[in-house]
Amino acid sequence: LAKTTQPISMDSYEGQEVNITCSHNNIATNDYITWYQQFPSQGPRFIIQGYKTKVTNEVASLFIPADRKSSTLSLPRVSLSDTAVYYCLQGDDKIIFGKGTRLHILP
Amino acid sequence: NAGVTQTPKFQVLKTGQSMTLQCAQDMNHEYMSWYRQDPGMGLRLIHYSVGAGITDQGEVPNGYNVSRSTTEDFPLRLLSAAPSQTSVYFCASSYAQRENEQFFGPGTRLTVL
Repeated sequence: LAKTTQPISMDSYEGQEVNITCSHNNIATNDYITWYQQFPSQGPRFIIQGYKTKVTNEVASLFIPADRKSSTLSLPRVSLSDTAVYYCLQGDDKIIFGKGTRLHILP
Repeated sequence: NAGVTQTPKFQVLKTGQSMTLQCAQDMNHEYMSWYRQDPGMGLRLIHYSVGAGITDQGEVPNGYNVSRSTTEDFPLRLLSAAPSQTSVYFCASSYAQRENEQFFGPGTRLTVL
């Protein structure tokens, strides 16, 4: 069973900042939090990974509070091409994907 | 680098047939895994391997076998295909499980009649 919980779906508009929150109450000391993006008919693609505080790359930012029981993926100024499913994963020997969050960007 | 390659891209089987889905990576990754994805669903882990000669079960291992004789290859065998195994199968690899990104293959779309 997936160890993380995230919203099933979200809608937003082009140009907006989108924040997707993930809950991982039972995160272990050694676990990292990783986010993937999946477009239809393609395999998932790595977006960002973090352990605590804030990580930023050219695509997104990841915020992890001190207790590490949740994390927030932030996508700045989304476009229509960001419509996809986003998965939050808690690192373990078994890398388990949940159902993900279906993000729909509207014009 | 070719990355993660999977063959075939498409396959149709009859119930009871067996076949092997091939997966190969040229990145010298230790960790490899197989997932299945049913329509509108997330990915479910079938089997994984932390290195050559070592495999373990994932969430949905029944009906599938794997072996890892080399670092590069991780084939998935369907022993006796059933309609419930109709799905898209993805292979993935990474340097290690915990703090490295996984690279996914293009997938194999399998239909069992």
